[in-house]
Amino acid sequence: GESVGLHLPTLSVQEGDNSIINCAYSNSASDYFIWYKQESGKGPQFIIDIRSNMDKRQGQRVTVLLNKTVKHLSLQIAATQPGDSAVYFCAENTGGFKTIFGAGTRLFVKA
Amino acid sequence: SQTIHQWPATLVQPVGSPLSLECTVEGTSNPNLYWYRQAAGRGLQLLFYSVGIGQISSEVPQNLSASRPQDRQFILSSKKLLLSDSGFYLCAWSRRQGGVEKLFFGSGTQLSVL
Repeated sequence: GESVGLHLPTLSVQEGDNSIINCAYSNSASDYFIWYKQESGKGPQFIIDIRSNMDKRQGQRVTVLLNKTVKHLSLQIAATQPGDSAVYFCAENTGGFKTIFGAGTRLFVKA
Repeated sequence: SQTIHQWPATLVQPVGSPLSLECTVEGTSNPNLYWYRQAAGRGLQLLFYSVGIGQISSEVPQNLSASRPQDRQFILSSKKLLLSDSGFYLCAWSRRQGGVEKLFFGSGTQLSVL
């Protein structure tokens, strides 16, 4: 069945270091994957997406990698800042209106 | 620019009482609208989505219902709340960009059923 899960529930990094948040998925039919960031008490915000026919996509300070062989994707944040502290969700979509979210990883940035 | 309004921000309700959460979107027409629920420390569960006035798709059988009386208004309701209805409820609208359905969320309603 459809499921999106995360390897680690929490991640603590030093300010200035790079962060890597991992995600596993099970639905091979997913058309694209999205990363959302949720700050405390707020709704999630779109960060970056990647189509299933891509291996890598870069944004501003963020890179998403997709490994379809092992059904794994990751979000890399360069030079992590205190403002990056949040819960990060990976999500998948099979091309319709249903976006399925994973459980989330909480990122702590230590000053 | 588009904005989404969701209220109230916090709600405490007794078991068995009714519920009505409202969400409105401004700055766009005929949006796809969604209700998600987030349990503490968990991911987001899709409850309902709507692609037009009066069109509601239910994803999870439960004690809740949704209605879309106007193009940019989405309402989540319950006749009798259960303890298990507690959670963080998020309304969202979506826009398709580059083949990707991007979700834009409201600020959420923290519902506590006691």
